[in-house]
Order: sequence, then C-alpha cells, then structure tokens
Amino acid sequence: DAKTTQPPSMDCAEGRAANLPCNHSTISGNEYVYWYRQIHSQGPQYIIHGLKNNETNEMASLIITEDRKSSTLILPHATLRDTAVYYCIVANSGYALNFGKGTSLLVTP
Amino acid sequence: DAEITQSPRHKITETGRQVTLACHQTWNHNNMFWYRQDLGHGLRLIHYSYGVHDTNKGEVSDGYSVSRSNTEDLPLTLESAASSQTSVYFCASSESFGLPGELFFGEGSRLTVL
Repeated sequence: DAKTTQPPSMDCAEGRAANLPCNHSTISGNEYVYWYRQIHSQGPQYIIHGLKNNETNEMASLIITEDRKSSTLILPHATLRDTAVYYCIVANSGYALNFGKGTSLLVTP
Repeated sequence: DAEITQSPRHKITETGRQVTLACHQTWNHNNMFWYRQDLGHGLRLIHYSYGVHDTNKGEVSDGYSVSRSNTEDLPLTLESAASSQTSVYFCASSESFGLPGELFFGEGSRLTVL
C-alpha cells in the first residue's frame, strides 16, 4: 500500500471550512483514497473515499489532484463536534487498511 | 439494526494469563479486522480475515492469534498476556474483498495487563 503524509495537527475556527491535506505520492492506479476520523476514544468512523474523481457526501468533500499524488478533505462548516483525529489512507479496495497517526483537528469557538 | 459488538469493554488481567477478546458482527460481512491503538502509534493492524477459515497476520501479530469458524465472529486471543499488550483493541468489518467501501468499527476493548 502507498504511504501517506499528513500534518500532525491543525486548528480551525468554528463555522469555517476545514481543509485537511494528505500527500500520497506513491499511490498506484488501483488504490483508493479513504478518509476516517476518530473522536476521542471511540472507534474510527468512515467519512468518504475516492479513486480519481472528486467526491462529496453529507459529511465532507474529497478533492483528489489530477495526478492523484495528493488529496484534501474539506469539512465545509466545521463545528466543535468535528474535533477529532483524521486519517488519510490509501489502499486497494477491500484490503485491510493501514492507519497512520493522522491529523489532530481542533475546532475552536 | 446491524452492528458490531466487542466484549469485554474493559478487562484487567495478569501477565501470563490467556485472554480472549470477542468480536461479533451482524452485517454478514466477509472481512473482519483487529487493530490495537496505543498513544503515539495510531491504529496498528494485528490480524485480519477475508472469510471463514481465512486468517492473515498484520503489522503487529506476534503474541496474538485469531480463528474464523463462522462469518459473524473473529475472536482475538492473547496466549500469554504481556504488559506490552496493554492497549485499546478495535475490531472492524467490511463487505467482500474487492469492493471499495467503509470499515465499521466496534467501540473498543480496553485491556490492562498487570
């Protein structure tokens, strides 16, 4: 599986968009980009995934660059409940996911 | 509603004891996974299974074993618990191999080995 690089921490003001970057320069053609988040000590929660095209769901948007070497998860209107650790993972579909250390996002009032 | 449950949620044991953590899912998912989470290490994969009677080693499998006798359950056994295995353990499941999709996680089992 391709490795990912994420900043260890980020801050965002409540109500503003949170843009979480991820670098995956060694991604191969059949690998997906997955995003999960973990709030406090709960089990991780799936957010979104994509292969080539940008994706949007009720939680977030995923922007993947044309060369697929990086992506950005966008939380359009961050709330205090979005404070969590966000994991960017690259893997073939259905395979076990290897979580890194993720980005700790703090949303402030 | 379908779900994934782990038990026990908290356990304290002594060094050398055998410990089994249970994981049960009702989605009929073929794929099941065990992770451990320690401060500073994020989530690390221990073992995983893509179906009944299939098991595979993950990144940190030493000292752990799993068996998959049915679709719903993937128990994780620590044959001889060590203090280094004090951790929070998460079980997860997903649909069949080859389909992109989400991993569903349990609430975690906190194990303390004294």
